[in-house]
Amino acid sequence: QVQLQESGPGLVKPSETLSLTCTVSGGSISGYYWSWVRQPPGKGLEWIGHIYYNGSANYHPSLKSRVTISLDTSKNQFSLKLISVTAADTAVYYCARVNYAYGVYWYFDHWGRGTLVTVSS
Amino acid sequence: DIQMTQFPSSLSASVGDRVTLTCRASQSIDSYLNWYQQKPGKPPKLLIYAAFSLQSGVPSRFSGRGSGTDFTLTISSLQPEDFATYYCQQTSTIPLTFGGGTKVEIK
Repeated sequence: QVQLQESGPGLVKPSETLSLTCTVSGGSISGYYWSWVRQPPGKGLEWIGHIYYNGSANYHPSLKSRVTISLDTSKNQFSLKLISVTAADTAVYYCARVNYAYGVYWYFDHWGRGTLVTVSS
Repeated sequence: DIQMTQFPSSLSASVGDRVTLTCRASQSIDSYLNWYQQKPGKPPKLLIYAAFSLQSGVPSRFSGRGSGTDFTLTISSLQPEDFATYYCQQTSTIPLTFGGGTKVEIK
């Protein structure tokens, strides 16, 4: 069974960089897209971006200037970096596997438990 | 961006009720629509993908319908473990977007 686990600091100062890693176990990174989704406290879900196992990435336009998603296939991990954070970036951050049906219909079938990142001085 | 609107934002229902949740896209998304269930403190759980395909292990009381702009998630007989927030998600166009959610509460 595929499992994902987020790790990284729970507190980041304003203007600094948020860095998280997602470790994938029980399966390979190869052949899938891998995504980051966030959820501000008490609010809905926001897709941040995703990366294909070949390294090709897509980002939400509203975050594109500040976000980088990368992967390390040797460690079965992928990572999120978000620069110049503000209080508005405070959220639970989830990593997820993106599977696809019939070759075109994407869906997020495995999720990490999520990690709360608070931006505060 | 494609806007996803869910309604109602919340509803109260009883165990055994048939419940239908609605999700509307701001433009056609064919069948690129997923449904997730989220309980407090937990990650979302995939229920339905490609508008009507039931994810493995999900009870058959959950069903999805629709294509284009209008979609529904139906729970045929609400169970105690179904009280949660439900989100739709479109994967037709980047950025991928979620609806605001429908919270299903106990009456």
